[in-house]
Amino acid sequence: GAVVSQHPSWVICKSGTSVKIECRSLDFQATTMFWYRQFPKQSLMLMATSNEGSKATYEQGVEKDKFLINHASLTLSTLTVTSAHPEDSSFYICSARGGDRGPYGYTFGSGTRLTVV
Amino acid sequence: AQTVTQSQPEMSVQEAETVTLSCTYDTSESDYYLFWYKQPPSRQMILVIRQEAYKQQNATENRFSVNFQKAAKSFSLKISDSQLGDAAMYFCAYTGANSKLTFGKGITLSVRP
Repeated sequence: GAVVSQHPSWVICKSGTSVKIECRSLDFQATTMFWYRQFPKQSLMLMATSNEGSKATYEQGVEKDKFLINHASLTLSTLTVTSAHPEDSSFYICSARGGDRGPYGYTFGSGTRLTVV
Repeated sequence: AQTVTQSQPEMSVQEAETVTLSCTYDTSESDYYLFWYKQPPSRQMILVIRQEAYKQQNATENRFSVNFQKAAKSFSLKISDSQLGDAAMYFCAYTGANSKLTFGKGITLSVRP
């Protein structure tokens, strides 16, 4: 089956520092990766869509300079939260499209809980 | 733009009983997919069931089945023989031509022993 490995699962960082979150598709090529943000007891909010080898497309209201997304290979996408502040504390989830579920199959990473202090 | 509506924030079911979670959506597309995802306390998103809009037959996965009413734009999930492990947050989701998933607000399901 399709597996997406997301690391780290949780991270605490100081305000003003940057944090990188990685998502790797382990057994398939993820041509498209989606990044979501989720607050407790709420739904997933799409932040951006990235396609391998091209610039990410950000949703309205998402600061592209704060949330840097790189999708340099078919198996790796990264989200870097730059100059993090306490309001960036949240749960971040990646999702890869493709694998054995076909073009409309989405495999989710296990998520990263970011706490900025 | 497509929208997904889950109007019930919480539901409760007795173990071994059946429960139905409601979802409606709005779209002008004719070709799309609908999903139900489960998010347990671990927060790992788990695919429960998927329905292709052009298929009239309702999808079924073991104890989980859907009632897909295309004309009414309704997509409800029925869980039969509810188990304690079914307790989780459930999200209804839609995807169409742009391949982005649009999620409903979710519903928290609790299972009473």
